[in-house]
Amino acid sequence: DTGVSQNPRHKITKRGQNVTFRCDPISEHNRLYWYRQTLGQGPEFLTYFQNEAQLEKSRLLSDRFSAERPKGSFSTLEIQRTEQGDSAMYLCASSTTSTYNEQFFGPGTRLTVL
Amino acid sequence: KQEVTQIPAALSVPEGENLVLNCSFTDSAIYNLQWFRQDPGKGLTSLLLIQSSQREQTSGRLNASLDKSSGRSTLYIAASQPGDSATYLCAVLVDSNYQLIWGAGTKLIIKP
Repeated sequence: DTGVSQNPRHKITKRGQNVTFRCDPISEHNRLYWYRQTLGQGPEFLTYFQNEAQLEKSRLLSDRFSAERPKGSFSTLEIQRTEQGDSAMYLCASSTTSTYNEQFFGPGTRLTVL
Repeated sequence: KQEVTQIPAALSVPEGENLVLNCSFTDSAIYNLQWFRQDPGKGLTSLLLIQSSQREQTSGRLNASLDKSSGRSTLYIAASQPGDSATYLCAVLVDSNYQLIWGAGTKLIIKP
């Protein structure tokens, strides 16, 4: 399968715990995006990487959130001291400049904070 | 600030009907517009992408149009089938920073 993959698919955690999600983009894609989606809403942009450089961060990304893409391939999104309001679907997408920046999405990681 | 609106929020039609989903955006300075499909609890599947210089794109029974000057796009689905039941979202790519700005989606139910 050559699509975007995300792990884990589901994560249940207790408030105050740290969680980390992983995204593996399509191999030749140099751009990687993280979005968050709550029930009944469209996704909201969180952050964007071009290769290993994090070029854009939304104000939604508080100090408890950090994202990395150390070698310009896979990316991780960590949430520290989780809160119930962090419960959402976390979506990763990738794109390349040669396909009109069409973004291809992974299946998402659903986070539930108890 | 770019805002994207989708109306209606939900739509239910009998199988076989043709239908149109609407998407409007407030700022015409977009790079492209994408239509996505989302099944319950699942990720997003890209259906069609329209570049800002294009007027429409077609894929099978789907046709998407773009009118930048009026800030509108439509997704036309011909001969609807129960398998088309899903939430359809539109998103515009903002020119400056490559982030997608999303509508809240239209939940479509096709009745057999």
